[in-house]
Amino acid sequence: GAGVSQSPRYKVAKRGQDVALRCDPISGHVSLFWYQQALGQGPEFLTYFQNEAQLDKSGLPSDRFFAERPEGSVSTLKIQRTQQEDSAVYLCASSLDRGGDTQYFGPGTRLTVL
Amino acid sequence: AQSVTQLGSHVSVSEGALVLLRCNYSSSVPPYLFWYVQYPNQGLQLLLKYTTGATLVKGINGFEAEFKKSETSFHLTKPSAHMSDAAEYFCAAFYYGNNRLAFGKGNQVVVIP
Repeated sequence: GAGVSQSPRYKVAKRGQDVALRCDPISGHVSLFWYQQALGQGPEFLTYFQNEAQLDKSGLPSDRFFAERPEGSVSTLKIQRTQQEDSAVYLCASSLDRGGDTQYFGPGTRLTVL
Repeated sequence: AQSVTQLGSHVSVSEGALVLLRCNYSSSVPPYLFWYVQYPNQGLQLLLKYTTGATLVKGINGFEAEFKKSETSFHLTKPSAHMSDAAEYFCAAFYYGNNRLAFGKGNQVVVIP
């Protein structure tokens, strides 16, 4: 079956632009996670959804970051007024159950802010 | 704070030699533990996981890991390295109540022919 997909795979934005990153989880997966991976580092948690409910957004670095999953499947991570420090790979993961321990990752979106 | 430690960012191993990547977690309550592999420009692929039960866990591509509670460790091994094992490897822990994976900084494995 299909895995987690993300689009676009690469995004170049000028500083100050808004961007939207899409994640299509594995069908039927209840939990969805967003992580940010800076160059040479491990992924860092951003936010977590259980179905359409955003249960934890404590990892979002600023109020410029916003995530939604309105119908409990596809999710979008939006970054407003991008800054150079936002340059990173954004990874989406999904998990079958509410616990969310075994997570399957998409290929990521590499965001470069100029 | 709950954390995962991986020592030695770059690991060089000769083809055919043992691969050993170390991982330690911080917690008095053992979390669920995972090893992921990341190839260039790709996402993370699950290698293996430990939840409960048998402490020696076998994964894909000939890798295995052993959970040792007394040492708070979950080291990854493979008896004989192959060129295709060149990648970045991440250890991760899932602490219930946090609902997130906490990752180590990763090990970049280079396989020398």
